[in-house]
Amino acid sequence: GNSVTQMEGPVTLSEEAFLTINCTYTATGYPSLFWYVQYPGEGLQLLLKATKADDKGSNKGFEATYRKETTSFHLEKGSVQVSDSAVYFCALKDRSSGGYQKVTFGTGTKLQVIP
Amino acid sequence: DAEITQSPRHKITETGRQVTLACHQTWNHNNMFWYRQDLGHGLRLIHYSYGVQDTNKGEVSDGYSVSRSNTEDLPLTLESAASSQTSVYFCASSEPGPGEQFFGPGTRLTVL
Repeated sequence: GNSVTQMEGPVTLSEEAFLTINCTYTATGYPSLFWYVQYPGEGLQLLLKATKADDKGSNKGFEATYRKETTSFHLEKGSVQVSDSAVYFCALKDRSSGGYQKVTFGTGTKLQVIP
Repeated sequence: DAEITQSPRHKITETGRQVTLACHQTWNHNNMFWYRQDLGHGLRLIHYSYGVQDTNKGEVSDGYSVSRSNTEDLPLTLESAASSQTSVYFCASSEPGPGEQFFGPGTRLTVL
């Protein structure tokens, strides 16, 4: 079955530091890949996505590139801010999950950015 | 703007009581999902629906039920609440295909 593995948290960084959150996946087909962000007390919201190999998703200074050869979708940001403190979820959807119906989520990585 | 709403946002109940959590979406999506979120477990799928009158069990469906009588709503019922069901519950919806799911704000349920 499908699975998503992301790095354990919490990750603590100083403001303006470089961020990488690793995500690797196992899927039987050609999945769509997502990063969701969850701010305290809120639901998940889509941060960025990529639907085919070598696509780069980007939003709010965050980027992730769909790497089929390494089955990875690592999240990066060049300079984090305190407002980026949140939990980040890597996720995928592919044909085996009822024809692109269900999403498989990683366990989430908590990021704390200190001033 | 289209959205998903959940009610109540917070609920405290007692063991053994029946509880219903509401989910309403105005995206006109066919697919709707219920998840629970617990520390150390991430998001776990409880039930899902691919359209009116369609419901399916997820990975942690015991003690929960859903019904889908229209496109907009998928209420989640806890038949007899247990302390193990204390959690944060999220509803989500999407269209079929490779696009994303859209999430509601969550309901924090405490079972005493």
